[in-house]
Amino acid sequence: DVKVTQSSRYLVKRTGEKVFLECVQDMDHENMFWYRQDPGLGLRLIYFSYDVKMKEKGDIPEGYSVSREKKERFSLILESASTNQTSMYLCASSLGTGAGDTQYFGPGTRLTVL
Amino acid sequence: AQSVTQPDIHITVSEGASLELRCNYSYGATPYLFWYVQSPGQGLQLLLKYFSGDTLVQGIKGFEAEFKRSQSSFNLRKPSVHWSDAAEYFCAVGAPSGGYQKVTFGIGTKLQVIP
Repeated sequence: DVKVTQSSRYLVKRTGEKVFLECVQDMDHENMFWYRQDPGLGLRLIYFSYDVKMKEKGDIPEGYSVSREKKERFSLILESASTNQTSMYLCASSLGTGAGDTQYFGPGTRLTVL
Repeated sequence: AQSVTQPDIHITVSEGASLELRCNYSYGATPYLFWYVQSPGQGLQLLLKYFSGDTLVQGIKGFEAEFKRSQSSFNLRKPSVHWSDAAEYFCAVGAPSGGYQKVTFGIGTKLQVIP
């Protein structure tokens, strides 16, 4: 089974802090994604990466950056956390880069910014 | 660009009753269509997906979905709901967008199952 793990289930940070969310997949997948999930808005794509050191902006990249130094690891960085970044963050991976590829999700990190 | 609409934010059904969750998409051709489920406290899991072939697709956990091109719909169904089906369900559309292959998720339908 594909396993996608996220470093924390719950995280509480203060406004202005730098926040790192880590995601690791164990199935040699090419593609990795970061989403945020908010009630009434569904999942919105922040960034994705189709290869090591490659990244592409999703629909809502403002206020975020990412890093993919190794194939299995994809990090989301909030340079200066703000209260409007309080949300559930979901990481996902897929084997290939096709639109029909199944995405495998981690359990999510619920981030609260005070 | 593709889009997906789930018109029902919240649905309540009795255990043992049938279920239909609605999904409509917008795209110029036939896209990839998915249904994912998110149980409380967990990430999303694929239930089923469609691109071509038989318009009735079977998935895991006894779910099925029917693609109707004329209605741009991909509704999810289950003949008899179990209490463990209580979860949030997301319809998604996958298609080329801006040089990449993009998957767009709906806002989700939360299913409550009552005894």
